[in-house]
Amino acid sequence: QLHLQESGPGLVKPSESLSLTCTVSGGSISSTDYYWGWIRQPPGKGPDWIGSIYYTGSTYYTPSLKSRLTISIDMSKNQVSLNLISVTAADTAVYYCARIFSRDNGDNWTFDPWGQGTLVTVSS
Amino acid sequence: QSLLTQPPSVSGAPGQRVIISCSGSSSNIGAGYAVHWYQQLPGTAPKLLIYNNNNRPSGVSDRFSGSKSGSSASLAITGPQAEDEADYYCQTFDNSLTGWVFGGGTRLTVL
Repeated sequence: QLHLQESGPGLVKPSESLSLTCTVSGGSISSTDYYWGWIRQPPGKGPDWIGSIYYTGSTYYTPSLKSRLTISIDMSKNQVSLNLISVTAADTAVYYCARIFSRDNGDNWTFDPWGQGTLVTVSS
Repeated sequence: QSLLTQPPSVSGAPGQRVIISCSGSSSNIGAGYAVHWYQQLPGTAPKLLIYNNNNRPSGVSDRFSGSKSGSSASLAITGPQAEDEADYYCQTFDNSLTGWVFGGGTRLTVL
């Protein structure tokens, strides 16, 4: 069974960088059938997709974060990583990684499963 | 402000039928993209509940059903149970954002 686990610092200072890693077990991130995504959920709000990566390294970012966000993939470690620069308090959220999976040959994609999430607080 | 609009809260008693709506536009649901639904129990990650408008993954109770019409979609919960108290989110693709979008969420309270 596929399992995803996020890791990284829980506290980041304003203007610094936020780096998180998602370790995938029970399956290979080099599969041609999936994308891997990052989603964040500010306290008390709904989830927001922020970016995704395919095993080839192709990346897709939400426009509002495109200038600050980098997602990368390390197939030797079965990991996907996120780096967000110049953070502010608005970046405080629970960050989740998830497999992005299509059940209809690529027409529509679901986030399934999700990792347990990690809370990142931006504060001095 | 989410591109998908959901009511902040709904409530219902066991034996009733509760409907959660998800309203989109011509760049997402109205463009023909499927709608998926997630359940988020307190303190946990969202879990896929309905995919491709009206399909349940293995293990999801048949109390849950989904539908889509035009630029909107709905999640129905027939006879909600106490363990169904959670936040529910709709999700689809938006071709103006060129990315995936979630609704703002609806909290279900079982009376």
